[in-house]
Amino acid sequence: EVQLVESGGDLVQPGGSLRLSCAASGFTFSSYWMHWVRQAPGKGLVWVSGINSDGSITNYADSVKGRFTISRDNTKNTLYLQMNSLRAEDTAVYYCIRGRSSGDYWGQGTLVTVSS
Amino acid sequence: EIVLTQSPGTLSLSPGERATLSCTASQSFSTSYLAWYQQKPGQAPRLLIYGASSRATGIPDRFAGSGFGTDFTLSISRLEPEDFAVYYCQQYGSSSWTFGQGTKVEIK
Repeated sequence: EVQLVESGGDLVQPGGSLRLSCAASGFTFSSYWMHWVRQAPGKGLVWVSGINSDGSITNYADSVKGRFTISRDNTKNTLYLQMNSLRAEDTAVYYCIRGRSSGDYWGQGTLVTVSS
Repeated sequence: EIVLTQSPGTLSLSPGERATLSCTASQSFSTSYLAWYQQKPGQAPRLLIYGASSRATGIPDRFAGSGFGTDFTLSISRLEPEDFAVYYCQQYGSSSWTFGQGTKVEIK
């Protein structure tokens, strides 16, 4: 069974940092593109970042470019999102997703709250 | 960047009725890269349709996707109680994703 389990969400002050993790199981993690998508409370889905299967290609939404870094450890079957210089508008549930052109499996999400 | 516009914003229907949801893109792209998701309150989105018209694993055949170019449609032939939810279209291009703003299908 494919499982994606996010962790690392927390309450953080503006300007702070946080690292999200996504533990993958039930499939060959190293063969898949992975993405992060976020959803602010009561709002729609917004793509944040994507990474190819071996980590050599990364892409970011303009809103997070230069502040967020996506990475993966294929030996640990884990996807990461390092978030720096956090802003109030980064407050959202962050989902980890498997897939390249569409997401066939989603994690349950982890909540990041940026507030003083 | 391609912008996806979904209409209507809210669709009020009764169980058993047919739902037709629209997703219009600001420019044309390959049908291979259009997907639809369903999201219920408190849950992660679920993939319904990929490649504009292919149903994902386990998705009942009352869900159908169609369209090409800039105009895409998700149809639900007969609404079941569990189908009342928010639906999003999503496009893949230039190694990034774009989502529509969503259509809420609510019970009339």
